[in-house]
Amino acid sequence: AQSVTQLDSQVPVFEEAPVELRCNYSSSVSVYLFWYVQYPNQGLQLLLKYLSGSTLVKGINGFEAEFNKSQTSFHLRKPSVHISDTAEYFCAVTLLIQGAQKLVFGQGTRLTINP
Amino acid sequence: NAGVTQTPKFQVLKTGQSMTLQCAQDMNHEYMSWYRQDPGMGLRLIHYSVGAGITDQGEVPNGYNVSRSTTEDFPLRLLSAAPSQTSVYFCASSYSNKQGSEQYFGPGTRLTVT
Repeated sequence: AQSVTQLDSQVPVFEEAPVELRCNYSSSVSVYLFWYVQYPNQGLQLLLKYLSGSTLVKGINGFEAEFNKSQTSFHLRKPSVHISDTAEYFCAVTLLIQGAQKLVFGQGTRLTINP
Repeated sequence: NAGVTQTPKFQVLKTGQSMTLQCAQDMNHEYMSWYRQDPGMGLRLIHYSVGAGITDQGEVPNGYNVSRSTTEDFPLRLLSAAPSQTSVYFCASSYSNKQGSEQYFGPGTRLTVT
């Protein structure tokens, strides 16, 4: 079975500091990994995704993530955060069941940026 | 394109009432799905559809029905609302059901059952 664990439910950081949001997955087969962001009172928006190829994936708003197969991780990073990055971040992995794609989400990490 | 739209944005129901959450997309996507979001649990899949006339259950289908008569619309019906169905509901769509296809999410419906 595939599952996703986000190790931190909340991460507070100061503005302009670097941040890393951790995500680990469990899977016995090839995976496709995603990070979504949810701004307050909005739906989810894709930040970035890993399908294949380079293990370092760059996304929108200066975020990047690195796929590490040996550690089964897909941590999200940003070198310098802004107040506008305050949001909830979800890691997700695709699960293919009976020919249909299903996204399995982690529990979410709430990122709070303090001035 | 409007993308994925959901109505209503907010709804309060009494236990036992029924209602339909509407979802529509104008991107000609084949794959549509419904999720519920609860604190500390991420998003969980309720039902999904790989095309008009085809639906299937997700992780938490009990208490919900869906139908897909057109490519554009994918309504979610609560037959007899219960307090455990208090949640935020998101509809999503993607071009295909192949792994790696990006899912586009609607703005959500916040439902409270008293």
